[in-house]
Amino acid sequence: EDKVVQSPLSLVVHEGDTVTLNCSYEVTNFRSLLWYKQEKKAPTFLFMLTSSGIEKKSGRLSSILDKKELFSILNITATQTGDSAIYLCAVVRYNFNKFYFGSGTKLNVKP
Amino acid sequence: NAGVTQTPKFQVLKTGQSMTLQCAQDMNHEYMSWYRQDPGMGLRLIHYSVGAGITDQGEVPNGYNVSRSTTEDFPLRLLSAAPSQTSVYFCASSYGGRESEQYFGPGTRLTVT
Repeated sequence: EDKVVQSPLSLVVHEGDTVTLNCSYEVTNFRSLLWYKQEKKAPTFLFMLTSSGIEKKSGRLSSILDKKELFSILNITATQTGDSAIYLCAVVRYNFNKFYFGSGTKLNVKP
Repeated sequence: NAGVTQTPKFQVLKTGQSMTLQCAQDMNHEYMSWYRQDPGMGLRLIHYSVGAGITDQGEVPNGYNVSRSTTEDFPLRLLSAAPSQTSVYFCASSYGGRESEQYFGPGTRLTVT
């Protein structure tokens, strides 16, 4: 059965801390892994990682994909209160562009 | 471009009522999907479509119907609402193909009493 597991489920840190969010997966015909940030409304896209792009970085956020060990991590350095959100990981199969989402990690950054 | 739009934003139904959640996109995307999001459960796929006239079931299809008569529209029908369908519903679309991310609508918060 295809599944995507995120850990931890929730995390509380203080501004300036560095956090690492984890996403492991068991999905057949893996095509890509995506990270989304969800605040109060719809998820917004952060990164896509594929066989041809296993490391991405944007400002304080970075992500890597380990296709051999079937996991990805999302790092956030120098966290800010605006980073407080649910972070979702999704894995896409080749067939029919189906997305499999993890349950998310709820990050709370305190001042 | 408006992107992905959903209506209504909020809805309250009584058990047994039926209704349709509307979703439209103006990006000429082939793929469209409906998800529901419940606390602590991420996004679960209800139904999806790979193009006009083609739909298929996701993880949690029971109690929902979809159709895709045009590329732009992908309505989700609740046949006989149940309290277990209380949730936030998101519609999403994407081009398909190798490097394709999904774009999400703003969501519909549905309460069934």
